[in-house]
Amino acid sequence: DVKVTQSSRYLVKRTGEKVFLECVQDMDHENMFWYRQDPGLGLRLIYFSYDVKMKEKGDIPEGYSVSREKKERFSLILESASTNQTSMYLCASRRGLAGPHNEQFFGPGTRLTVL
Amino acid sequence: AQSVTQLGSHVSVSEGALVLLRCNYSSSVPPYLFWYVQYPNQGLQLLLKYTTGATLVKGINGFEAEFKKSETSFHLTKPSAHMSDAAEYFCAVSANTGNQFYFGTGTSLTVIP
Repeated sequence: DVKVTQSSRYLVKRTGEKVFLECVQDMDHENMFWYRQDPGLGLRLIYFSYDVKMKEKGDIPEGYSVSREKKERFSLILESASTNQTSMYLCASRRGLAGPHNEQFFGPGTRLTVL
Repeated sequence: AQSVTQLGSHVSVSEGALVLLRCNYSSSVPPYLFWYVQYPNQGLQLLLKYTTGATLVKGINGFEAEFKKSETSFHLTKPSAHMSDAAEYFCAVSANTGNQFYFGTGTSLTVIP
């Protein structure tokens, strides 16, 4: 089974702090994604990576950056956390080379609260 | 551009009743379609997907969905609801090119005993 793990299930940070959310997948997937999930808004794509050191902005990249130094790990960085970044963050991975019909596999999520 | 619309942000059914969750997509070409389920405080889990071939797709936990190109729909059904089906359900579409998924805003299913 594909496993996607996220470093924390719950996280509480203060405004202005730099926050790192880590995601690791164990199935050698090329594509990795970071979403945030808010009530009534569904999942919104922040960034995705289609290969090591490659990244593309999603729909809401402002206030976030990402890093992918190794194929299995994709990090989301909040440079200076703000209260409006309080949300559930979901990481996903997907086999990319075989085509767009492949599903995404999700981690359990990190619920981030910024005070 | 791709988009997904889920009609009804909240749906309530009685235990044993039919479950019907609606999903319509907008795409210039036939897309790949997915349904995911999210239980409280968990990530998303794939229920089923349509790629090509048979338009009626069977998934896990007794769910199925039918791809109707003429209606641009991919509605999710289950003949008899169980208490354990209470969750959030997301419809998603994958473009034929590129890597992105486009998710609907979700439907919260409540099952009444």
